[in-house]
Amino acid sequence: DAGVTQSPTHLIKTRGQQVTLRCSPKSGHDTVSWYQQALGQGPQFIFQYYEEEERQRGNFPDRFSGHQFPNYSSELNVNALLLGDSALYLCASSLEGGAYEQYFGPGTRLTVT
Amino acid sequence: GQNIDQPTEMTATEGAIVQINCTYQTSGFNGLFWYQQHAGEAPTFLSYNVLDGLEEKGRFSSFLSRSKGYSYLLLKELQMKDSASYLCAVLRNQAGTALIFGKGTTLSVSS
Repeated sequence: DAGVTQSPTHLIKTRGQQVTLRCSPKSGHDTVSWYQQALGQGPQFIFQYYEEEERQRGNFPDRFSGHQFPNYSSELNVNALLLGDSALYLCASSLEGGAYEQYFGPGTRLTVT
Repeated sequence: GQNIDQPTEMTATEGAIVQINCTYQTSGFNGLFWYQQHAGEAPTFLSYNVLDGLEEKGRFSSFLSRSKGYSYLLLKELQMKDSASYLCAVLRNQAGTALIFGKGTTLSVSS
């Protein structure tokens, strides 16, 4: 049973560029949440997708957008990258209406130069 | 708003017991999670408390007092591999199930 997978593992981008990160949820899970974790900090909630719609959003600008596909996989897009966007981006999946435990993927380390 | 506080760092020795505290202030509380995160890795689930009291799972136990906005994670018989960051996270009861994390407590276990 595959857990949560994310791609790519590492990414280096330049300020102003755009980036797309991808996540496949744990088998059987239908809800995907994205978190940003800066070095030495706890993860911060970006948004959550369920039934292909953004269901809840944290305090992040519109430069951060996402999408969920019919197979429950998800993408996180960040436009106009800033140096401060450098972080570990974590995807977590869970089962709607069931246990609230969220399973995290290994993350994508984004470096903006 | 929401605020979650936990100590930044703690140290302990192998075989000892350590308690990591977490206090929170949040609206729409729907449970509290503890996650373990080794450097460079994803957080892994340790425990979930939604009712007051103690939940025990092997060497790890977690306690919750909703009236006090307080939780702790108790680690017994510490091992070197327990050196990690421990994250306290509150589940908000709004549309969706967002986890609101504290900054984490870095635990260093020495021999």
